[in-house]
Amino acid sequence: SQQGEEDPQALSIQEGENATMNCSYKTSINNLQWYRQNSGRGLVHLILIRSNEREKHSGRLRVTLDTSKKSSSLLITASRAADTASYFCATNTNAGKSTFGDGTTLTVKP
Amino acid sequence: EAGVAQSPRYKIIEKRQSVAFWCNPISGHATLYWYQQILGQGPKLLIQFQNNGVVDDSQLPKDRFSAERLKGVDSTLKIQPAKLEDSAVYLCASSLFSPEGLAGGNEQFFGPGTRLTVL
Repeated sequence: SQQGEEDPQALSIQEGENATMNCSYKTSINNLQWYRQNSGRGLVHLILIRSNEREKHSGRLRVTLDTSKKSSSLLITASRAADTASYFCATNTNAGKSTFGDGTTLTVKP
Repeated sequence: EAGVAQSPRYKIIEKRQSVAFWCNPISGHATLYWYQQILGQGPKLLIQFQNNGVVDDSQLPKDRFSAERLKGVDSTLKIQPAKLEDSAVYLCASSLFSPEGLAGGNEQFFGPGTRLTVL
């Protein structure tokens, strides 16, 4: 089974609202990454947070990591219709092994 | 900088036929990954190469799937014979290899994928 599990599976919001999605994992990690996938396209890297970091920002994205709870969250502020996509977390071990979750499908309505 | 190239973009075959996918990673990227993504699911790692050596192929169905990375650059993934459940998008990704703790991590750059339909 996948190590990373995203929650919720689907999220629908209005443009301008914030979107929060969560990722839980099971084993120790070196870092955790979030990716976006537009329909029919490849994945695009959004942000990487290391196991010794607790929070990271990139533009409208904010990622938190709680290694004690083995969980991470991705917050997208002031969402836009163009943010409509699937979002995946990927956990990476010290050996460089990556494991993706099944993603959260975000729909931002204009 | 050119991205990860994959071909073909689409392939339709009948079950029990063979198929091959090609990937050209970003120049200088030592690590290459092949993923299988079934509709509605996340990418599942099939095989990971470090240069031309295999790092992880624990989820590769070796009775029908094979992959190689010649000279540590391009890679091909083959399925022989194909089954209906192999219908999926096959994604190739590459990354700079970075031991734990160093800057850069292992951000992966993905190609557009090959959509395989097995009839």
